[in-house]
Amino acid sequence: EADIYQTPRYLVIGTGKKITLECSQTMGHDKMYWYQQDPGMELHLIHYSYGVNSTEKGDLSSESTVSRIRTEHFPLTLESARPSHTSQYLCASSDTGDREQYFGPGTRLTVT
Amino acid sequence: SQQGEEDPQALSIQEGENATMNCSYKTSINNLQWYRQNSGRGLVHLILIRSNEREKHSGRLRVTLDTSKKSSSLLITASRAADTASYFCATDGSSNTGKLIFGQGTTLQVKP
Repeated sequence: EADIYQTPRYLVIGTGKKITLECSQTMGHDKMYWYQQDPGMELHLIHYSYGVNSTEKGDLSSESTVSRIRTEHFPLTLESARPSHTSQYLCASSDTGDREQYFGPGTRLTVT
Repeated sequence: SQQGEEDPQALSIQEGENATMNCSYKTSINNLQWYRQNSGRGLVHLILIRSNEREKHSGRLRVTLDTSKKSSSLLITASRAADTASYFCATDGSSNTGKLIFGQGTTLQVKP
């Protein structure tokens, strides 16, 4: 079982609200990632971080933002949620030398 | 798709039978990984095969890699109902960034 946690697991929120999805890991991994996944579809990388104060956008454009102030914490924020943001958001981490990624359980976001 | 194709998209077999899933990718790679995702959950790493390896085993899993054809296969032998899940291949696109490119996945149903 990977030591990577995401909260909340499920979130239903109205259009225009600001939300923050939490992700934390206790493995001391330098690299962390956020993916967006629609039901039955592939994962798309939306943000990644190589370490503290290092964040970059992924391959899929996203209106969300991230921060990496502490090694263990990589929150994702949506300033103004829209129905098009409805999806599952998966957080992952990996060690510098490893290529294996460890995934959290995901946050299923529904914007009404 | 960023990655290429996985086939079949869906597979339904009886318990005890073998299940084979295929993955094709587009770029050169350092390694290829397979992950499993149970419904509504995060991904779990199954096996990693490096570009200079042709075959790898882990328990009931066997992975093959053909870099000349840019393809890989995952074989699950003597399947169990608990193997019911979606299976994704992922490649690193020959980068050392840790970023992965995921395929579209194969949904496997194992009937008891």
